[in-house]
Amino acid sequence: ETGVTQSPTHLIKTRGQQVTLRCSSQSGHNTVSWYQQALGQGPQFIFQYYREEENGRGNFPPRFSGLQFPNYSSELNVNALELDDSALYLCASSRSGGGADTQYFGPGTRLTVL
Amino acid sequence: DAKTTQPNSMESNEEEPVHLPCNHSTISGTDYIHWYRQLPSQGPEYVIHGLTSNVNNRMASLAIAEDRKSSTLILHRATLRDAAVYYCILRLNTGNQFYFGTGTSLTVIP
Repeated sequence: ETGVTQSPTHLIKTRGQQVTLRCSSQSGHNTVSWYQQALGQGPQFIFQYYREEENGRGNFPPRFSGLQFPNYSSELNVNALELDDSALYLCASSRSGGGADTQYFGPGTRLTVL
Repeated sequence: DAKTTQPNSMESNEEEPVHLPCNHSTISGTDYIHWYRQLPSQGPEYVIHGLTSNVNNRMASLAIAEDRKSSTLILHRATLRDAAVYYCILRLNTGNQFYFGTGTSLTVIP
């Protein structure tokens, strides 16, 4: 069983640019959640996708957007990058997204905005 | 406003029990309590979760207060591999959101 994978591992962008991060969910999982983890902080929930629809969103501006594909992989897009967007971006997949559901996290993508 | 509150750090001797506390005073009746841990340069790893009753699994035990406003993660015998940041999380039924706390950094002393 393949775990959650994310690409790329590291990324450097400049302020104002756009970035796309990718996540492949674990086999059998139809829900993907994205998190932003600043250095020394706990992960902050960005949004969740269930069967290709966004079904939960944290306190992030609209320039953070996402997609989920029919194979349940997902993308996180961030437009108009700001310096504060520098962080580790984590994705997690789960079977159904319910309250008792276990999330399986990928290793993350480290984004640096200069 | 913080959904969960945890001590920043704790220490334990190897093979001793560890009790990691968490306060979540704003919890509502349908919110789940989850615990995950994170090693350096890795994504968080599931430890345990519960709703109202105490829970046990092969990794740990979760004790939930009767009013559900606090919980305690119990590692029965700490090993060096248990050194990590432990996060207490509320999974809100409204909005399907996971709220991570700031985490407790656990140091295990050989």
